[in-house]
Amino acid sequence: NAGVMQNPRHLVRRRGQEARLRCSPMKGHSHVYWYRQLPEEGLKFMVYLQKENIIDESGMPKERFSAEFPKEGPSILRIQQVVRGDSAAYFCASSFEQGSSNEQYFGPGTRLTVT
Amino acid sequence: GESVGLHLPTLSVQEGDNSIINCAYSNSASDYFIWYKQESGKGPQFIIDIRSNMDKRQGQRVTVLLNKTVKHLSLQIAATQPGDSAVYFCAENNYGQNFVFGPGTRLSVLP
Repeated sequence: NAGVMQNPRHLVRRRGQEARLRCSPMKGHSHVYWYRQLPEEGLKFMVYLQKENIIDESGMPKERFSAEFPKEGPSILRIQQVVRGDSAAYFCASSFEQGSSNEQYFGPGTRLTVT
Repeated sequence: GESVGLHLPTLSVQEGDNSIINCAYSNSASDYFIWYKQESGKGPQFIIDIRSNMDKRQGQRVTVLLNKTVKHLSLQIAATQPGDSAVYFCAENNYGQNFVFGPGTRLSVLP
């Protein structure tokens, strides 16, 4: 039973380029969460999606960032016109249901470096 | 001993000793809590959870204590091993809202 998959594991982009991060949840999980982690800091919630729906994007920057979780295929976190401040580790987690007592399982993360 | 580093607080313990990692959570309405372990270059890994109707829960070598009066959570690791070296995060959940993570504590196990 594969866990949460994320790719690429490392991504290097020059300023102004686009970054696309992919997340495949655990089998049977329909809830996906994206988090961002700066070095030596905790995880900051960005967005929560169910299939084809964005449920909570309160942690997502208003510009340049978008997320989707289509009916088929992985969830995508897209960052347009990247800047150096976007350099971070981006983690995806999935759960069977949302809510209390529903553990989120994390992927290995994508480390984005903007040069 | 415990010290505050440049960013993450660090707890250093001798191998074989017990470790206690503390977390102050923010929302008195939170009803579910998880401790995660994050090793370098990896994603967070579930260790143990506890619901707000409990004050203690034990796992294998780990115990979580919850004090709702002072909004405090602790993780106790018995007989700490080198493989326990990692950053530990507490996370709180408020009746189905999204998890909020604490800033983390780095555990360093000394030989």
